Amino acid sequence: DAGVTQSPTHLIKTRGQQVTLRCSPKSGHDTVSWYQQALGQGPQFIFQYYEEEERQRGNFPDRFSGHQFPNYSSELNVNALLLGDSALYLCASSLTASGFRGYEQYFGPGTRLTVT
Amino acid sequence: RKEVEQDPGPFNVPEGATVAFNCTYSNSASQSFFWYRQDCRKEPKLLMSVYSSGNEDGRFTAQLNRASQYISLLIRDSKLSDSATYLCVVNIPSGTYKYIFGTGTRLKVLA
Repeated sequence: DAGVTQSPTHLIKTRGQQVTLRCSPKSGHDTVSWYQQALGQGPQFIFQYYEEEERQRGNFPDRFSGHQFPNYSSELNVNALLLGDSALYLCASSLTASGFRGYEQYFGPGTRLTVT
Repeated sequence: RKEVEQDPGPFNVPEGATVAFNCTYSNSASQSFFWYRQDCRKEPKLLMSVYSSGNEDGRFTAQLNRASQYISLLIRDSKLSDSATYLCVVNIPSGTYKYIFGTGTRLKVLA
């Protein structure tokens, strides 16, 4: 049973550039959420995708955008990179369903982005 | 006030000790609660989902107090391998739902 996978594992970009991160959810899951985790902080919710639509968004600027594909995989795009965007970007998958278990999220290993 | 608050620690405890962490949340409409464990530079891993008033899984016990708006995690008979950061997560109904993480509590179990 494949867990959540993310690519790439590490990335170094320059200020002003654009980046695309990828995520494949756990087998059987249909919902993908993205988080940003700065050093020493808890993950911060960026947005969530279900049925190829963004259905929930955290307090992140429009420079952060995403997409979900018919196979439930997802991309996170960040434009006009700032130094402050350097962080671990985590993808989590879940199964949207009635009942409590639908809220349990499973995380991928993350992509560590460094902006110089 | 932060939506989810945790004592950052670190908590340094000897092997075999019992340790407890608390987490408070501000949104009384919060519906579900979780504890995750995160090792250094790794992804968070689901440790426990907190049902109704609480539940137990081996050495780990989670409790929920809705009246006082806090959840707790108790670890009995601490092992060296329990050393990690423990993240409290609250599921807030907002349209659909979204996870709000605390900043985490660092635990170090000493030999």
